[in-house]
Amino acid sequence: AQRVTQPEKLLSVFKGAPVELKCNYSYSGSPELFWYVQYSRQRLQLLLRHISRESIKGFTADLNKGETSFHLKKPFAQEEDSAMYYCALNTPLVFGKGTRLSVIA
Amino acid sequence: DAGITQSPRHKVTETGTPVTLRCHQTENHRYMYWYRQDPGHGLRLIHYSYGVKDTDKGEVSDGYSVSRSKTEDFLLTLESATSSQTSVYFCAISRDVDEQYFGPGTRLTVT
Repeated sequence: AQRVTQPEKLLSVFKGAPVELKCNYSYSGSPELFWYVQYSRQRLQLLLRHISRESIKGFTADLNKGETSFHLKKPFAQEEDSAMYYCALNTPLVFGKGTRLSVIA
Repeated sequence: DAGITQSPRHKVTETGTPVTLRCHQTENHRYMYWYRQDPGHGLRLIHYSYGVKDTDKGEVSDGYSVSRSKTEDFLLTLESATSSQTSVYFCAISRDVDEQYFGPGTRLTVT
């Protein structure tokens, strides 16, 4: 069975502090992993995907198959990063329960 | 935003009544999906379609049916709405087993 775990419901950090949103997955095959973001009153949108290995809005995520993790990181949080973040696996997407990031000025 | 619209955007209905939500796309993408979003559960797949008249069940399909008679429209029907189906419903599309683009959502309240 496919499963995605995001252990933190809420993560609060100060502006300028590093951010790490945790994601662990369970899947026996070769996974495709994504991070989606939902800003207030906006639709869900793709933030990044592991196969592209790019940095979007300063965020990066590395797939660690040994630890079955795909943590999202940003070195310096900004207020505009406050949103709901979802880790997702494969297609059709299997979502984690989401982590709400709150960046405090 | 990708060309995805959902209608209605908000609906209040009574328990036991039928409800149909519509997802419309102008991207000619093959795949279409219906999710529901609930606090503490994230997004969960209800049904999806991989072509006209081709659909399959997702994680939480009980109480829901879908139809896709043409590429651009994917309908989600609650045959007899229950309070547990109060949720925000999102439609998504993808060209292939690839990045999914999401609609704006429909907030459904079943009283």
